[in-house]
Amino acid sequence: AQTVTQSQPEMSVQEAETVTLSCTYDTSESDYYLFWYKQPPSRQMILVIRQEAYKQQNATENRFSVNFQKAAKSFSLKISDSQLGDAAMYFCASVNSGNTPLVFGKGTRLSVIA
Amino acid sequence: GAVVSQHPSRVICKSGTSVKIECRSLDFQATTMFWYRQFPKQSLMLMATSNEGSKATYEQGVEKDKFLINHASLTLSTLTVTSAHPEDSSFYICSARGPGTSAGELFFGEGSRLTVL
Repeated sequence: AQTVTQSQPEMSVQEAETVTLSCTYDTSESDYYLFWYKQPPSRQMILVIRQEAYKQQNATENRFSVNFQKAAKSFSLKISDSQLGDAAMYFCASVNSGNTPLVFGKGTRLSVIA
Repeated sequence: GAVVSQHPSRVICKSGTSVKIECRSLDFQATTMFWYRQFPKQSLMLMATSNEGSKATYEQGVEKDKFLINHASLTLSTLTVTSAHPEDSSFYICSARGPGTSAGELFFGEGSRLTVL
């Protein structure tokens, strides 16, 4: 069974600074995908970034990047130049290949301080 | 990206009544949809996998007679909360995988906030 662990219930960052959200996972599969989703107060789930396990290169999307450590089963999210609009719940998630559901971590609530 | 629409976004009902929530894939066909439930300040918990033309697969602990799922077409799955009680009050979110998606992400509906009085 897959598990996803987010050990930081809450984090805060000053506007324009950088913050890193932690995530570890466990899976017995060799082919899987990892994601970070953002859930703002509207509660709409928004995909922030994805990483295919077979890719060694860390994914980046503008100000968002990941540090994917496959051997350690770690998948942290770095947000650079934090903006007020980045304040939200962030969920780390994993899925095996195939049409299977995502498994989510418990989430990290990020506050951005002006 | 693919669009998933959910309706209604908010519903308030009396205890003992049934409520239906619709989940539609607007620009693609989804043979499988996933229903999640989210309590306040908690994560998303998978309730069931909805399969077009066949019975849904429920997660352990989810009452299939309480949460009826119908996936009658390739673009519509419905979740009916039967004989709702206050403890069923929650945020329900549906999701589906887009067409030809190889990267595995799910696209989510806007969610439905159910309040049972």
